[in-house]
Order: sequence, then structure tokens, then C-alpha cells
Amino acid sequence: TQLLEQSPQFLSIQEGENLTVYCNSSSVFSSLQWYRQEPGEGPVLLVTVVTGGEVKKLKRLTFQFGDARKDSSLHITAAQPGDTGLYLCAGADRGSTLGRLYFGRGTQLTVWP
Amino acid sequence: NAGVTQTPKFQVLKTGQSMTLQCAQDMNHEYMSWYRQDPGMGLRLIHYSVGAGITDQGEVPNGYNVSRSTTEDFPLRLLSAAPSQTSVYFCASSSWTSANEQFFGPGTRLTVL
Repeated sequence: TQLLEQSPQFLSIQEGENLTVYCNSSSVFSSLQWYRQEPGEGPVLLVTVVTGGEVKKLKRLTFQFGDARKDSSLHITAAQPGDTGLYLCAGADRGSTLGRLYFGRGTQLTVWP
Repeated sequence: NAGVTQTPKFQVLKTGQSMTLQCAQDMNHEYMSWYRQDPGMGLRLIHYSVGAGITDQGEVPNGYNVSRSTTEDFPLRLLSAAPSQTSVYFCASSSWTSANEQFFGPGTRLTVL
């Protein structure tokens, strides 16, 4: 059973387009992280959201945590080829051991010049 | 700081062989974990440790052993390799103050023939 469902699984767009990636669950999370992974490397943390309804911006990336803390979204404005990578969401279950994360299966984003 | 280091980068084993994947971190992090990443499956937790001398099982622990004798090192042992263990393995660490924000190593790509 996958605790976190990410959609879409694959996304291929042209440079300059906007996109949104979703991360959904039936569980409530104490926090949710977004990571980006490039080929041959480990995931790198982009952002952590903690409060329901929270919105964080990182340049052209906007992250939102759902009001009920069960879902999150990542919106990229004017995508660039450098945004290409695997985007992973990860949640810390409120009832689990501190540091115990559950990962979604990821969204593979390709941005063409 | 080197962050999280993993060795080897690549490894090929025959079925039934044993080996140890090495992981070290120089950030004095209390929490360390091992994940495996398979295509379309995201990251799945194998074992984790909340401090020296303390380890626990994650989602997919069968066929793997860990120990944590020091804060810095967290080796993962494959007892008798099987083709189903062909995967990319990532080690991660985090501090207690931000336990859900994990730093990942570069990974070990393991093939079991």
C-alpha cells in the first residue's frame, strides 16, 4: 500500500510552460517534504511544509500544503530545462517514529528546450 | 564537510554472495537510514537508526542487516544476495532538530546476477 500517491507519474513539457505536480494521501502528516533527484545522484531537499494551508515559494517553484495536511502540490512557473528531474514528495506520519518518512513514487519531469 | 558518503558506487554480485554497503556522515547526525530505489517504486525504507546502538526495521528489511556502532557509520549488509535485491541503494542522515529533512548520499547501484 502506497501511503503517498503522486500524479502525474510522467510529465513532458516545453520550456516556458507551467505545470503542477500533486501528492495525495488519506493520512494526516506532521510535515511534508519535496525532494528533487537528478540521474545518478541522491535526492536533494527542496522544501518542508509543516502548517496546514502553508505556501512556500522557491524562485519559480510554489509549494502548498493542504489545509487538512493530507496533500500537497508543487507548481512550477515558466519551466526551464534545468528543472528536469524526478520530483519526490515525502511525508512524516504523525504517529510514526521521528524521522520515519514515507515517499511517493515520484514524478519524472522532462522540460524540452 | 563531505556530507553523506557511500561506497562502492557500483557493485556486481553473484546470487548467494554477501557484501557490505558502506555509509558515513560527518554532520554528527543522530538519525540514519537506508533506502532502496526501484523503477516506478519511489524510495522504500530498509532499516533505520535513531542513534548509536539503536536500529529498527523499515518497510522492506528482509535479506538485510544493519548495525550502528558509531554516530558516523551505518553499514548495510546483504547476507546472501538475490536477484530481487538488484536496485539502487541510498543512505540518508538527519539531525533530531530537523529529523524529517534528510541528506542523501550519492547511492550504490547493485546488480545481482
